Amino acid sequence: AQSVTQPDIHITVSEGASLELRCNYSYGATPYLFWYVQSPGQGLQLLLKYFSGDTLVQGIKGFEAEFKRSQSSFNLRKPSVHWSDAAEYFCAVGASGGGSNYKLTFGKGTLLTVNP
Amino acid sequence: EPEVTQTPSHQVTQMGQEVILRCVPISNHLYFYWYRQILGQKVEFLVSFYNNEISEKSEIFDDQFSVERPDGSNFTLKIRSTKLEDSAMYFCASSADSGGTQYFGPGTRLLVL
Repeated sequence: AQSVTQPDIHITVSEGASLELRCNYSYGATPYLFWYVQSPGQGLQLLLKYFSGDTLVQGIKGFEAEFKRSQSSFNLRKPSVHWSDAAEYFCAVGASGGGSNYKLTFGKGTLLTVNP
Repeated sequence: EPEVTQTPSHQVTQMGQEVILRCVPISNHLYFYWYRQILGQKVEFLVSFYNNEISEKSEIFDDQFSVERPDGSNFTLKIRSTKLEDSAMYFCASSADSGGTQYFGPGTRLLVL
């Protein structure tokens, strides 16, 4: 069965600093990988996704992520964090359980705090 | 931009009562999902639905849960007899393709007393 590990429960950065959120996955085949962001009291917004092809993917709000098969990782990065980026970030792997749909398995999330 | 909508945004119910959570997926999407997030925990898959039948369900999705697409636009999750441990945020999602990006609604926060 697939699984996702986000090793950092909580990260604090200063506004303008760079950011990297870690994600490791376990899945037997080539995974579909996603990063979602959840602001307090809000739903899940898709930041970016990896299906195939170029291993460096660009997303919204200036985020990017790199798929590294050898490390089973899909880390999220941003060169300069803005105060509005404070939220909880979830990494997810999409996999088929044999049916027609792909279900998402989420990590536990990383809470990002941004200091002024 | 099309989006998934969910109603109600909040629901409070007594233990043992039935609740129906409603979702309107993106109009041209064919694959539908329910997830839940217990406070402080990760988002968990409940069920996936395609072509008017359940494709996959998790261990959480027991006989107390059911899903339905009663018409061309709504997708509902029913909990027959709620328990305290059903208190959670319930998210609906939809996708255009199998394996495609899942777009999430804003969620329904369910509190069972």
